[in-house]
Amino acid sequence: GAVVSQHPSRVICKSGTSVKIECRSLDFQATTMFWYRQFPKQSLMLMATSNEGSKATYEQGVEKDKFLINHASLTLSTLTVTSAHPEDSSFYICSAQGQAGEYTYNEQFFGPGTRLTVL
Amino acid sequence: KNQVEQSPQSLIILEGKNCTLQCNYTVSPFSNLRWYKQDTGRGPVSLTIMTFSENTKSNGRYTATLDADTKQSSLHITASQLSDSASYICVVRTTSGTYKYIFGTGTRLKVLA
Repeated sequence: GAVVSQHPSRVICKSGTSVKIECRSLDFQATTMFWYRQFPKQSLMLMATSNEGSKATYEQGVEKDKFLINHASLTLSTLTVTSAHPEDSSFYICSAQGQAGEYTYNEQFFGPGTRLTVL
Repeated sequence: KNQVEQSPQSLIILEGKNCTLQCNYTVSPFSNLRWYKQDTGRGPVSLTIMTFSENTKSNGRYTATLDADTKQSSLHITASQLSDSASYICVVRTTSGTYKYIFGTGTRLKVLA
């Protein structure tokens, strides 16, 4: 299967600072990437969907100015949490869907997640 | 409204026992259904994928079933191991408009020695 990596795996920051999380597809071209957040003991909640070269589509209730998403290449998407506050502390997971050569993946592959703690 | 509901919310079993997790969905139009295993602090990993015409699919000790008529799926775990302790998430893909994934709330399984 295809591999998706995230960096960093954990980050602790002070309130008011911005944090950038990277999501990379390692062995395939990710035409679409998804960003999720997950609170303890809850399932994943989709934040936004991004297609390479286009603006991200945000889910209802997700502030686009708060969570900046960039998907400038077929292997990299970034999520920047701007002016982070303690309530932004969560587990952020990305997933990617796309193709490797002529093969199109009919599923999304998840990254390992990033634990964000805002003090 | 597209929804995916899972039961039970949590489950505790002894090592070596079998268990079955349930997933009911009201997603339409239906494309496929996938079961994921998510270890604590990790991203989900796919266990099985089932399309409309498939009734059963196995992956080692994991066996998924799908009844498209009743819109129900189950994940059966045989001879559980301690490493099976995780959250199991049912995800249904729909092709309404652009594709979209509907996530279930998950079942937290704990296997005790």
